[in-house]
Amino acid sequence: GAVVSQHPSWVICKSGTSVKIECRSLDFQATTMFWYRQFPKQSLMLMATSNEGSKATYEQGVEKDKFLINHASLTLSTLTVTSAHPEDSSFYICSATSDRVFSYEQYFGPGTRLTVT
Amino acid sequence: AQSVAQPEDQVNVAEGNPLTVKCTYSVSGNPYLFWYVQYPNRGLQFLLKYITGDNLVKGSYGFEAEFNKSQTSFHLKKPSALVSDSALYFCAVRGMNTGFQKLVFGTGTRLLVSP
Repeated sequence: GAVVSQHPSWVICKSGTSVKIECRSLDFQATTMFWYRQFPKQSLMLMATSNEGSKATYEQGVEKDKFLINHASLTLSTLTVTSAHPEDSSFYICSATSDRVFSYEQYFGPGTRLTVT
Repeated sequence: AQSVAQPEDQVNVAEGNPLTVKCTYSVSGNPYLFWYVQYPNRGLQFLLKYITGDNLVKGSYGFEAEFNKSQTSFHLKKPSALVSDSALYFCAVRGMNTGFQKLVFGTGTRLLVSP
């Protein structure tokens, strides 16, 4: 199957600082990448959808100025949590897909656990 | 709007017994349906999908799912459970008319297989 990586897998930062999370598709070119947030014992909440070379589409209620998404290439998308606060602590998961390769399924990264102190 | 319901928070089954994890959906038009599994502190792994064709879909690790249009269900099944199947299972749906392949996930069902 397709492989998607995330870096870092775990990050602790102080309140007010910014954190960048990378999502890479390792063996395919991802035309679309997604960013999800998962709270403990809860489902995945889609935050935004990004296509290479274009601005991300954010879901309702997600602050686009706080969660900056950049999809600079067909293999890399980044999520930057700006001015992080303790309530931003969560498990962030990315997924990727390709219209040209896959029949509709998304492939997920291993996730990044963010803890803001 | 699309939605997915997983009515059971947890399913308990003894190793070697058959298991079923339930999923029902609501979507406009024909659905694309998926099952994913998540192990602790990990991302989701794709198990299987239904797009069109046979109602019984076979996937990874011996799992299968049956699409039932009249009951709008897509239950996940396995004939003989393993302790290693213990994990969190998510059902997801995408409507045919949804742009950007957006998936809507259920709340998840925790499967616990006892030795």
